[in-house]
Parts: sequence; C-alpha cells; structure tokens
Amino acid sequence: NAGVTQTPKFQVLKTGQSMTLQCAQDMNHNSMYWYRQDPGMGLRLIYYSASEGTTDKGEVPNGYNVSRLNKREFSLRLESAAPSQTSVYFCASRPTNVGTEAFFGQGTRLTVV
Amino acid sequence: GENVEQHPSTLSVQEGDSAVIKCTYSDSASNYFPWYKQELGKRPQLIIDIRSNVGEKKDQRIAVTLNKTAKHFSLHITETQPEDSAVYFCAANAGGTSYGKLTFGQGTILTVHP
Repeated sequence: NAGVTQTPKFQVLKTGQSMTLQCAQDMNHNSMYWYRQDPGMGLRLIYYSASEGTTDKGEVPNGYNVSRLNKREFSLRLESAAPSQTSVYFCASRPTNVGTEAFFGQGTRLTVV
Repeated sequence: GENVEQHPSTLSVQEGDSAVIKCTYSDSASNYFPWYKQELGKRPQLIIDIRSNVGEKKDQRIAVTLNKTAKHFSLHITETQPEDSAVYFCAANAGGTSYGKLTFGQGTILTVHP
C-alpha cells in the first residue's frame, strides 16, 4: 500500500499563478485533510472533508479551494498564488472522523516568488 | 472553533532525563487527543493518543495524561534518548458541529543531548 500520496513534492510559482495540489489515499479512509506547516506555527488546518461529498473550512481557508473528487482523492487549489502561501503542505487521511489515527502524505514544498 | 495551545516551543534535555510537553484546548466537546512526532524533513507520525473517557495512557517510555475539567493534556517521555529529538505536536479532535476537525498545537522542538 502506498498510503497517502501527494503530488508534486516541490513547486515554485510566480505570484498570481494558479495550481492544484493533488492528494490520493488507498486505505479506503473516509476523512481527508489539508494542512500547511510554517515555522513556529505548527500544522494549521486549511480545509477538511469529514466524508465523501462534504468539505468544511479549517483555520486558514482564505486563498484556497478544495475538491473531494471521490473517496480516494482530495485536491487543494490556489487560484492566485501569493508569497504568503509559501509553505509546506500536508495532506492527511483517517478512517473516520471519530478518534482514529491520521496518516500524512510526504508533503509538498511550495515557494511563491 | 477549537484552539490548541502548546508549551514549551523548545525543550532541551540531557539523555536519560524526562521531558514534559503540555497542551490546552478550548472546546469542551473535543473527544480525542493524539500526539505526533515529526523528524526533520519527514511527515508527522502518531506516537500515542488518548480518548476523552480515559485519564492516562502509557506505552513504554511515553505516557499521556488528560484533565478534562481543566481542558489540558500532557505528553511525558521518560529516559529520553537522542533519537527522541524531533518536533512534537499535540492535537484535539473537535466535537459538536465541527465533528471531525483535527486541530494541532504549534509544536515543540525537543532536543536530547547525549
């Protein structure tokens, strides 16, 4: 099993460009999450999908959109990238939204210049 | 929404000493509290968790305690080793209308000196 797979691993964007970060899990998990990690700020929740067909905002949703394409895939879109969105992005999934372990992808390091 | 505060932000100990990291949460409906370890350049991985109906849980050198009344929980690492050096995150699983939302603390950089 691959677990949680994110693409790409690295990306450099110019201010104003758009891109989509892809996340797929092969563990038949119901819940999926997108976090960003910045030094000293921990893991901040951008959006989550408690189950297929639902999405909800997290702590820092501005400038982002998400799509729960199916049970396996949860994508994060930046419509007009800004330097403040330079960060490491992690996707995570877990079996249910009750007390279960979250499994993380390897992360995407995004730089906006 | 849920707010999780974690302290200290950095912690330096000598090998063999104990380390304690503390977190507080704001949502009294939160029901699940995991702890994650992230090594440099790696993804976070679960090391221990506790549910709201349990006060303490132990796994070898690692233990977690939960005080629901005070809304705080702590990670205890005994007999620390250099390989324990990493960033540790606490998290709280929201209840109520935000069911499923998993909010993390700011992280603690633990350094264990040989």
